[in-house]
Amino acid sequence: DTGVSQNPRHKITKRGQNVTFRCDPISEHNRLYWYRQTLGQGPEFLTYFQNEAQLEKSRLLSDRFSAERPKGSFSTLEIQRTEQGDSAMYLCASSPTQGAVTEAFFGQGTRLTVV
Amino acid sequence: GQQVMQIPQYQHVQEGEDFTTYCNSSTTLSNIQWYKQRPGGHPVFLIQLVKSGEVKKQKRLTFQFGEAKKNSSLHITATQTTDVGTYFCAGQNTGGFKTIFGAGTRLFVKA
Repeated sequence: DTGVSQNPRHKITKRGQNVTFRCDPISEHNRLYWYRQTLGQGPEFLTYFQNEAQLEKSRLLSDRFSAERPKGSFSTLEIQRTEQGDSAMYLCASSPTQGAVTEAFFGQGTRLTVV
Repeated sequence: GQQVMQIPQYQHVQEGEDFTTYCNSSTTLSNIQWYKQRPGGHPVFLIQLVKSGEVKKQKRLTFQFGEAKKNSSLHITATQTTDVGTYFCAGQNTGGFKTIFGAGTRLFVKA
C-alpha cells in the first residue's frame, strides 16, 4: 500500500497521559500536514512540514502539542497531559511539491479517546 | 483569522435530484479545493480551482470559483446513492501553507 499510513488507528488513554501518533506519508511527498477533526466538523489545521522543516503551526497547537519530522520522512505528533477535549480524529496528509495542484492525500487517521 | 463558511450544513435529496453546496471565505484565496468524505472514511481530493471565475466539470459534478476568489460552489446533477457523504471546501491563501476547511455539507440521498 503506497498511501499515507497512520498508527495507531485507535488510541484510548486516561486523562493526563501522554500519547504519540505516527504518520508515514507517500514516499515522494515533501509536504506533510496534521489536522484534527471532530464529529460534524471539517479538518482543523494543526501544523505543516516541508521536508523536515515545520513551516507553520496553528495557534490551536498549544504547548502540550508537538510535532516532528526529523528526517523529512515520517512524522510524529505528541500530546502531553491529555485532556478530554483532545478527543478527536487526528488526520495526517501529504502532498507533492511538484506541479500546480497541491492535492492532499489523507491517511485513515488516528482516533483518540481521552477518558 | 481566516474563516471558510459552508452551507447548507446538510441536505436530504431524492435520488435523481440535483444538489448544490456553497463555500464562502472571509479572505481572498489563492486556490480552493474540494474533498469528499464518506461516512467512516477520510477526506478524498476531488478538484482544485485556481483561476478567478474558473468552472470545471467531472461527469455529474460542476465546480465554480467566484470572480473575487472568495466563494465557490459544487453542483451535482442527478444525484445517485453513491454520492452520499460530506463535501468539504478548503481554501489556501497566497503564500501560505495552511489549508482552511469549511465545516462541510453532508449529503443524504434517498433511493
